[in-house]
Amino acid sequence: GQQLNQSPQSMFIQEGEDVSMNCTSSSIFNTWLWYKQEPGEGPVLLIALYKAGELTSNGRLTAQFGITRKDSFLNISASIPSDVGIYFCAGQQSGNTPLVFGKGTRLSVIA
Amino acid sequence: KAGVTQTPRYLIKTRGQQVTLSCSPISGHRSVSWYQQTPGQGLQFLFEYFSETQRNKGNFPGRFSGRQFSNSRSEMNVSTLELGDSALYLCASSLDPPQDTQYFGPGTRLTVL
Repeated sequence: GQQLNQSPQSMFIQEGEDVSMNCTSSSIFNTWLWYKQEPGEGPVLLIALYKAGELTSNGRLTAQFGITRKDSFLNISASIPSDVGIYFCAGQQSGNTPLVFGKGTRLSVIA
Repeated sequence: KAGVTQTPRYLIKTRGQQVTLSCSPISGHRSVSWYQQTPGQGLQFLFEYFSETQRNKGNFPGRFSGRQFSNSRSEMNVSTLELGDSALYLCASSLDPPQDTQYFGPGTRLTVL
């Protein structure tokens, strides 16, 4: 099925560093979402984006909806150990269509 | 408010058997979606139910089926299990609209031997 291209696949960073990850698609999406998944749990919604060019923050997390509507970016500033997990992007083409997910970025934070 | 609950959390079956997984959405949520998560394929959409009707279906064989009850609880069934069906099965619920704000349960880890 359709899938988003998410990169990088994994990251090892030092505590305190900033992190960037992105998601691209050949198709246009009208909604972009970012989720975080920790071991043994389901994905938890971090940020939702509904408008091209939109920049939204949630604490140390900032996400942007690309102007072309074919990409999105997530930044985490001043990373801490509890940021460890897998981050997924998801796109939705219209209100009643299913979410399409990227394969995730596995983040490891070294204290 | 209680979150999305899924039962059982872990399940071990053998090839050829069938399995039924259950999902209770957040109170008031009427849309329930199911996803299969594997290391190789990531999160793949199975189907979505709203008001007891299947509204969307992913690209999975007919061995995968589901239903939704009048209280919005949902079940999915997999018949004639194959080794490749081993995965984490996630359920997500949402208000309708907006469809996009989906809240996930912890998942059911299915292992097929």
